[in-house]
Amino acid sequence: TQLLEQSPQFLSIQEGENLTVYCNSSSVFSSLQWYRQEPGEGPVLLVTVVTGGEVKKLKRLTFQFGDARKDSSLHITAAQPGDTGLYLCAGIQLFTGNQFYFGTGTSLTVIP
Amino acid sequence: KAGVTQTPRYLIKTRGQQVTLSCSPISGHRSVSWYQQTPGQGLQFLFEYFSETQRNKGNFPGRFSGRQFSNSRSEMNVSTLELGDSALYLCASSLYNSPLHFGNGTRLTVT
Repeated sequence: TQLLEQSPQFLSIQEGENLTVYCNSSSVFSSLQWYRQEPGEGPVLLVTVVTGGEVKKLKRLTFQFGDARKDSSLHITAAQPGDTGLYLCAGIQLFTGNQFYFGTGTSLTVIP
Repeated sequence: KAGVTQTPRYLIKTRGQQVTLSCSPISGHRSVSWYQQTPGQGLQFLFEYFSETQRNKGNFPGRFSGRQFSNSRSEMNVSTLELGDSALYLCASSLYNSPLHFGNGTRLTVT
């Protein structure tokens, strides 16, 4: 059983469209990260959210941490082909040390 | 600052053999974690080492083992390889409770 469920699993959109990726759990996390992975490479950190209700913006990407710290979302405005990749959320729970739990992943393709 | 380095990048083995993968973390990072990534299962946690001690272990059989050296470099070993072990093996280093920095992985193919 996966602790973090992401939806959708696959997403194919046209350049310029907006999209939202969801990361949901029934468990509470002390912090949550979003990573992007491109083919042949390891995941690269995009953002860390720590406080319930926190919203962070990274250019056209907006990340939100749920009030109860059980879920998160990633919204991309005016998607570009360079946004193509696998998006992964990952959380740390209290009292589990440095163990990260990864979501199931969302594969995004932005068509020019 | 050099990133996380994993060697080799690609590996082809046959069933029943064993394999050792290597990971050099970012300088100063004492935590090293290993993950298995497959299309069907996503990123699955194998184990985490900190100062040469295994602190966390995922739900993998005993054929998967690891160790960490005093310079924080880590190795992962898989014995008696099975076809299902074909995957991308990712190593990540971090400071305690800080985001992970991943290497580009070792692509293992078992035939």
